[in-house]
Amino acid sequence: NAGVMQNPRHLVRRRGQEARLRCSPMKGHSHVYWYRQLPEEGLKFMVYLQKENIIDESGMPKERFSAEFPKEGPSILRIQQVVRGDSAAYFCASSPRAGARDTQYFGPGTRLTVL
Amino acid sequence: DAKTTQPPSMDCAEGRAANLPCNHSTISGNEYVYWYRQIHSQGPQYIIHGLKNNETNEMASLIITEDRKSSTLILPHATLRDTAVYYCIVTKGGSEKLVFGKGTKLTVNP
Repeated sequence: NAGVMQNPRHLVRRRGQEARLRCSPMKGHSHVYWYRQLPEEGLKFMVYLQKENIIDESGMPKERFSAEFPKEGPSILRIQQVVRGDSAAYFCASSPRAGARDTQYFGPGTRLTVL
Repeated sequence: DAKTTQPPSMDCAEGRAANLPCNHSTISGNEYVYWYRQIHSQGPQYIIHGLKNNETNEMASLIITEDRKSSTLILPHATLRDTAVYYCIVTKGGSEKLVFGKGTKLTVNP
């Protein structure tokens, strides 16, 4: 059973460009979470999605960031007009359900570098 | 803010048991104790979790005190590949977001 997949693994963008990060959850998982890790800092929750629904976006910056998890295909984290401060590792996690014992499993991350 | 307190760093000799403590004095009755680790800059790796009973799997053992205010993760025979930052997280599980603190940087020495 393949784990959580993220692509690209490394992404370089110039200031003002758009970044699109993709996350394919584990097979059978319908819950996706995005976390961000700034250099030398801990992981911070960004957003939690189920298929076609955003459940909790309390950690998302109010501007330029958006996320979706369509009925078909991977979850997408989109950053518009990137700035240098967006340089970070972005991790996606998935879980099968929302039950108390349903563990979140993480992908390898996408490392975004903004020049 | 994280609901847990961990020592910032620990050292362990290869082949010996690594015992990583965690304090979670404000844990509520329906919250689990989860442990993850992050090796270098890889994605966090799930290790183990428990509610009130001690748990063991192929990676580690989790000992939770009777009052549930603290726990210890035990790696029975640490190897160099266990060098990582270990995070103790208290969560209701499932859909609740994980709140990562600073964790404990474990260094396994040859």
